[in-house]
Amino acid sequence: SSELTQDPAVSVALGQTVRITCQGDSLRSYYASWYQQKPGQAPVLVIYGENNRPSGIPDRFSGSSSGNTASLTITGAQAEDEADYYCNSRDSSGNHWVFGGGTKLTVL
Amino acid sequence: QVQLVESGGGVVQPGRSLRLSCAASGFTFSSYAMHWVRQAPGKGLEWVAFIAYDGSNKYYADSVKGRFTISRDNSKNTLSLQMNSLRADDTAVYYCARDLTSTGTMDVWGQGTTVTVSS
Repeated sequence: SSELTQDPAVSVALGQTVRITCQGDSLRSYYASWYQQKPGQAPVLVIYGENNRPSGIPDRFSGSSSGNTASLTITGAQAEDEADYYCNSRDSSGNHWVFGGGTKLTVL
Repeated sequence: QVQLVESGGGVVQPGRSLRLSCAASGFTFSSYAMHWVRQAPGKGLEWVAFIAYDGSNKYYADSVKGRFTISRDNSKNTLSLQMNSLRADDTAVYYCARDLTSTGTMDVWGQGTTVTVSS
């Protein structure tokens, strides 16, 4: 399958922990990358590889993977984390890339 | 600083062509693979095309294969996307993105350029 599946919406109370998941067959072979996108802005890479954060990304963001599921965890969610989150990886063919449908995170 | 700036978007009639450009600065452009990614209004991200650091490999989403062509000029630090036979469902914000590891991790994004296909 060349698809990545995400829950459309997730909510979390301020300061609590939330996990956003991404499922797809290609994740058995390739790591997912995670992007944060706020309204009217370009996506920003927040997690890639096994669990790597680009410079400037807070350490409350972390990633993990098991089988066909990749997860993005925000430990101690902040109001500024409210955004759309997308996963992506290579697809099973290895020469295409695919994005998940995105998860809208609401911080209550 | 590391920057990507897209240009060339606009309003175009169905069936016509448009060429997008992406100017790179602040890094060694010729060392990185690049992607085009688009986002239709109110929708999610869709990968469009990939080009290797030296232009030796190019891959396309099925939705654009045969109509779009990705290219690069490493002497001018510029990435391009030639879009032919445009359709209404090509309407989107088009982003260029740098591939950190040549595996699809897109670590630098431009601000996007808007393409509207409408009669």
